Amino acid sequence: GAGVSQSPRYKVAKRGQDVALRCDPISGHVSLFWYQQALGQGPEFLTYFQNEAQLDKSGLPSDRFFAERPEGSVSTLKIQRTQQEDSAVYLCASSLRGLNTEAFFGQGTRLTVV
Amino acid sequence: GESVGLHLPTLSVQEGDNSIINCAYSNSASDYFIWYKQESGKGPQFIIDIRSNMDKRQGQRVTVLLNKTVKHLSLQIAATQPGDSAVYFCAENPPAGRRALTFGSGTRLQVQP
Repeated sequence: GAGVSQSPRYKVAKRGQDVALRCDPISGHVSLFWYQQALGQGPEFLTYFQNEAQLDKSGLPSDRFFAERPEGSVSTLKIQRTQQEDSAVYLCASSLRGLNTEAFFGQGTRLTVV
Repeated sequence: GESVGLHLPTLSVQEGDNSIINCAYSNSASDYFIWYKQESGKGPQFIIDIRSNMDKRQGQRVTVLLNKTVKHLSLQIAATQPGDSAVYFCAENPPAGRRALTFGSGTRLQVQP
């Protein structure tokens, strides 16, 4: 496809369950970002990849959050032992070169922890 | 779909009027700024960007103004249309430290037909 694709679109998880969220960036885009967006708030940075290298994970809220991009294209954000406070929209974005270039966002995955 | 910006400041304008959305950014060393539009249930959509060596940039129906002295950014939308109704975020890219855009809290634009 032409844009950033995220799946699933919606995910309901029971508290304590592990979840995996997938991001397919635009083909050829070097940089990939994950953001968390709570209701009524702006997106908050989680982590950043340049190709397969995770260069910044300072935004990950706890060690229950883990992200990978093993082949420099598709990325997965994994949340272990989900808690209610993890409920949010998780957005993925990619850009052609990196910082200071336009980043394109996917539609997000809406995670609800019950 | 889910709602974005339930508790955000809201700007209501009449169709055809010009809209001005303001944003105060936090880091005086930030060198790149972007305005995003986010409709309910969708991801942010790029509108226009500006680098810190400029104070104005124009696009199609949109203009971004940058005042580095007071760390202020504004988005002007000419002849606002109902399709412009959305939440608008400014984002800044600090030159060092965190390697990603930092988003502001957003403004909801409501266009009355």
